[in-house]
Amino acid sequence: GAVVSQHPSRVICKSGTSVKIECRSLDFQATTMFWYRQFPKQSLMLMATSNEGSKATYEQGVEKDKFLINHASLTLSTLTVTSAHPEDSSFYICSARGPGSNEQYFGPGTRLTVT
Amino acid sequence: AQSVAQPEDQVNVAEGNPLTVKCTYSVSGNPYLFWYVQYPNRGLQFLLKYITGDNLVKGSYGFEAEFNKSQTSFHLKKPSALVSDSALYFCAVRALRHANTGFQKLVFGTGTRLLVSP
Repeated sequence: GAVVSQHPSRVICKSGTSVKIECRSLDFQATTMFWYRQFPKQSLMLMATSNEGSKATYEQGVEKDKFLINHASLTLSTLTVTSAHPEDSSFYICSARGPGSNEQYFGPGTRLTVT
Repeated sequence: AQSVAQPEDQVNVAEGNPLTVKCTYSVSGNPYLFWYVQYPNRGLQFLLKYITGDNLVKGSYGFEAEFNKSQTSFHLKKPSALVSDSALYFCAVRALRHANTGFQKLVFGTGTRLLVSP
């Protein structure tokens, strides 16, 4: 139980284009989903927290207009990197938390490369 | 504010020897502590957690961790390392939920790379 998937696992896009990453909770309802970014050889940095049906809460320094987060259902959250640039290249990881739960379950991550 | 320190960027150990990966934390109130492992280009896999109770927590793949409140530490240990244990290990802390502060976010350490040599 408590499986979280991400799609795609890898994506390469050209500078200036937008790319969408999906995060799904496969066997539980995720009232809260988290999006993290990980640079090479660095820790996970929380980008934003999203609750189903409401606007995401972004961490300080994260551009909400660049990283659009939609948590439209209890099993799906999406992160759209708009007008991507090479510096947006990173490993993006989502996690999900069920109702009344203290646990976060992590997805396998998405490697984004912007050329 | 919550914080986690992993003082070692890398730990080297020979296969069959015991290993320790260090973690210290700072949190207001009682801590909720985790260890995760990450293999290359993969997400985080949960190893173990401490909430309350016994200070020695046993987790996946033979790993265990000892909660030490006086030293604010939560070191990860394994009696006999395997080459396949080579990976990146993250310690994380979260304050227990309080009625007036709501859900507390998870804060990660910078990670420790474990290299187990044959």
